[in-house]
Amino acid sequence: AQKVTQAQTEISVVEKEDVTLDCVYETRDTTYYLFWYKQPPSGELVFLIRRNSFDEQNEISGRYSWNFQKSTSSFNFTITASQVVDSAVYFCALRSGLRGGADGLTFGKGTHLIIQP
Amino acid sequence: DAGVIQSPRHEVTEMGQEVTLRCKPISGHNSLFWYRQTMMRGLELLIYFNNNVPIDDSGMPEDRFSAKMPNASFSTLKIQPSEPRDSAVYFCASSGAGGWLEQYFGPGTRLTVT
Repeated sequence: AQKVTQAQTEISVVEKEDVTLDCVYETRDTTYYLFWYKQPPSGELVFLIRRNSFDEQNEISGRYSWNFQKSTSSFNFTITASQVVDSAVYFCALRSGLRGGADGLTFGKGTHLIIQP
Repeated sequence: DAGVIQSPRHEVTEMGQEVTLRCKPISGHNSLFWYRQTMMRGLELLIYFNNNVPIDDSGMPEDRFSAKMPNASFSTLKIQPSEPRDSAVYFCASSGAGGWLEQYFGPGTRLTVT
């Protein structure tokens, strides 16, 4: 069985602070895929990033960066110089590599990020 | 390109009524997923299709729930009869060939059963 744990239910920081959202996953698959989605107050789910289990390179996209460590089964997300528009619920998700990866996503419970002006 | 389209966006119905949610995936995508989001259970997968064929419906909560995908551009999720505990946001998502690709979500249907 697969599991995604986002231990931080809610984080509140002041604008321009850096913030890291933690994600720990469990899977028995040797091939799997990890994702981060953003859910702003308007409710839609916005794809942010995908990481394959065989690619441990960290990634940076503007103010966003992701740290993937297989040794600790973690896929953490850092926002640098946070902005009010970053306020949202952020979900980490896992997808099995079986059946060519054509499976549904297992989501964590989400972290509600509040950026105060 | 149009994203995933869901209708209706909001649905309010009385307990016992039939509810049908609709989804149009992104053109060219061959996998379609239905999820449900509630405060208690978070986001959970209900069922998914690959090339219009249901692959895994183990997440469907009860026999009151059914889903179909008659063609590559349309899917329905039906609840009959509806109950107050079915109140949730229902999301449809689609992804392209090559299962490792990301899923793109529709705006969701907020269902309220009174």
